[in-house]
Amino acid sequence: ETGVTQSPTHLIKTRGQQVTLRCSSQSGHNTVSWYQQALGQGPQFIFQYYREEENGRGNFPPRFSGLQFPNYSSELNVNALELDDSALYLCASSPARGRETQYFGPGTRLLVL
Amino acid sequence: AQKVTQAQTEISVVEKEDVTLDCVYETRDTTYYLFWYKQPPSGELVFLIRRNSFDEQNEISGRYSWNFQKSTSSFNFTITASQVVDSAVYFCALSELTSGSRLTFGEGTQLTVNP
Repeated sequence: ETGVTQSPTHLIKTRGQQVTLRCSSQSGHNTVSWYQQALGQGPQFIFQYYREEENGRGNFPPRFSGLQFPNYSSELNVNALELDDSALYLCASSPARGRETQYFGPGTRLLVL
Repeated sequence: AQKVTQAQTEISVVEKEDVTLDCVYETRDTTYYLFWYKQPPSGELVFLIRRNSFDEQNEISGRYSWNFQKSTSSFNFTITASQVVDSAVYFCALSELTSGSRLTFGEGTQLTVNP
């Protein structure tokens, strides 16, 4: 059984640019959630996708957007990057929304200069 | 609103010592789930345990044990006979049934086990 994978592992961007992060969910999982983890802090919920529809959003501006594809993989897009967007971005998948445990990928470390 | 507090920012112990990581949560829901995750330096969050709000039985898994007390809104994690490999950041998290599976994390506790 393949776990959650994310790409790329590291990324460096400059302020104002746009970035796309990718996540492949664990086999059999149809729900994907994205979290932002700033240095020294706990992860913060960005949004969740269930069967290609957004299913909940945290306190993040609209320049954070996402997609989920028919195979349940997902993308996180961030426009107009700001220095504070520098963080570890974690993707998690679960078998269903609501009650199931979320399993995390290794994350993408984004540095905005 | 849901909230998780991990008051211990850093803990340092010597190998073979027992250590307890504290977690206090706030929620208005009657149905909720509590989790512990381990984050080694590589960054990936590793799932350790999930408890639902209706099951207050303590759980033991090898050297790990968890104490869930609804009366004090706490879900503490104890490592017995700690090992150097236990060194990591540990996160307690909460999800409410009404919020889907959105996780609210505490700030984490950095555990360092010295040889």
